[in-house]
Amino acid sequence: DVKVTQSSRYLVKRTGEKVFLECVQDMDHENMFWYRQDPGLGLRLIYFSYDVKMKEKGDIPEGYSVSREKKERFSLILESASTNQTSMYLCASSSSSGRAYEQYFGPGTRLTVT
Amino acid sequence: AQKVTQAQTEISVVEKEDVTLDCVYETRDTTYYLFWYKQPPSGELVFLIRRNSFDEQNEISGRYSWNFQKSTSSFNFTITASQVVDSAVYFCALSEVSGNDMRFGAGTRLTVKP
Repeated sequence: DVKVTQSSRYLVKRTGEKVFLECVQDMDHENMFWYRQDPGLGLRLIYFSYDVKMKEKGDIPEGYSVSREKKERFSLILESASTNQTSMYLCASSSSSGRAYEQYFGPGTRLTVT
Repeated sequence: AQKVTQAQTEISVVEKEDVTLDCVYETRDTTYYLFWYKQPPSGELVFLIRRNSFDEQNEISGRYSWNFQKSTSSFNFTITASQVVDSAVYFCALSEVSGNDMRFGAGTRLTVKP
């Protein structure tokens, strides 16, 4: 069974804190993604990575950074959390071959910044 | 620019009714992929279907069917004889050839009442 796991389901942080969201996939996928989901806006891509140490900006990268030191792990970093970063964060992965383009999602992390 | 519109924010039906979820997309690409995902209350998006732009055949999978019409840039999703377990948020998405630049619609929340 394919599996994408995220380190926390719920997280509460204070404004100005540095926040790390971790995502791990066990499918040996090349591509990994971070999205945020907000009501009425659907999912918006923050960053994606197509290989270890490689990253590309998505639509809303401001205020975020990412790290991919190992193929299976993709971290999202909020350098200085702000209240407008309160959201649901979803990680996904996909293969570059075979069933390419089909993204597999983790359960999400609901982050509240107070 | 790519864009996906799901005009129906919320739909409520009674069990056994048929329901159609609308999806309209915009893209300048001639090759692209369209997707439907289901997000149940647990939060994890579940892949339902992928179509490429060259395949306009309608598809049926059990109670689910999809109608892809390039002439109207639509990719609608019909659930026949709906069940309570179909209650979820459904997302339509569009991606370019690489699959890395996926655009999601805002989602349609479907509630099926017993």
